[in-house]
Amino acid sequence: KNQVEQSPQSLIILEGKNCTLQCNYTVSPFSNLRWYKQDTGRGPVSLTIMTFSENTKSNGRYTATLDADTKQSSLHITASQLSDSASYICVVRYNTNAGKSTFGDGTTLTVKP
Amino acid sequence: NAGVTQTPKFQVLKTGQSMTLQCAQDMNHEYMSWYRQDPGMGLRLIHYSVGAGITDQGEVPNGYNVSRSTTEDFPLRLLSAAPSQTSVYFCASGWETQYFGPGTRLLVL
Repeated sequence: KNQVEQSPQSLIILEGKNCTLQCNYTVSPFSNLRWYKQDTGRGPVSLTIMTFSENTKSNGRYTATLDADTKQSSLHITASQLSDSASYICVVRYNTNAGKSTFGDGTTLTVKP
Repeated sequence: NAGVTQTPKFQVLKTGQSMTLQCAQDMNHEYMSWYRQDPGMGLRLIHYSVGAGITDQGEVPNGYNVSRSTTEDFPLRLLSAAPSQTSVYFCASGWETQYFGPGTRLLVL
């Protein structure tokens, strides 16, 4: 069964600190892995997309890594800001033709001043 | 360029009522999809479309119908609403990068 597990479920950090969110998946066959940011009450917004051959990808203060051998990904947030408070969702696409994906439950990040 | 728009933003239905959730995009994307998001669960695919006139089922299609008569519009129909369909519904557009709409919050009593 295709699964995407994210940890931790929730995280509280102080403004300015760094943090790392984890994503483990058992999805097969692998097509790509995406990280989304979802603010409360809004739709998800894409942060990064990585294919099998990519190890790392950055988007400003967000850096995603992918280890396709161990089927793990991480999202590192540098110098956190209050606006980083959101849910971060890991998504793995497994069906290239139909674009079907498995979504993780998300990690809820709270950044406090 | 409005991106992906969804209407209504919020709806309350009684069990057995039907309704249509509207979704429109102005990015000329062929691929569009509908998801539902329940508390503590990841988004689940309801239906998707790879172009006008072509739709297919996702992982939780029961109780929902879709059609795609134009590239821009992809409405989701609830045939006979049930309390289990209380959820937040997101429409998305695009293939490599998916652009999500703001969501429709549906409460079925």
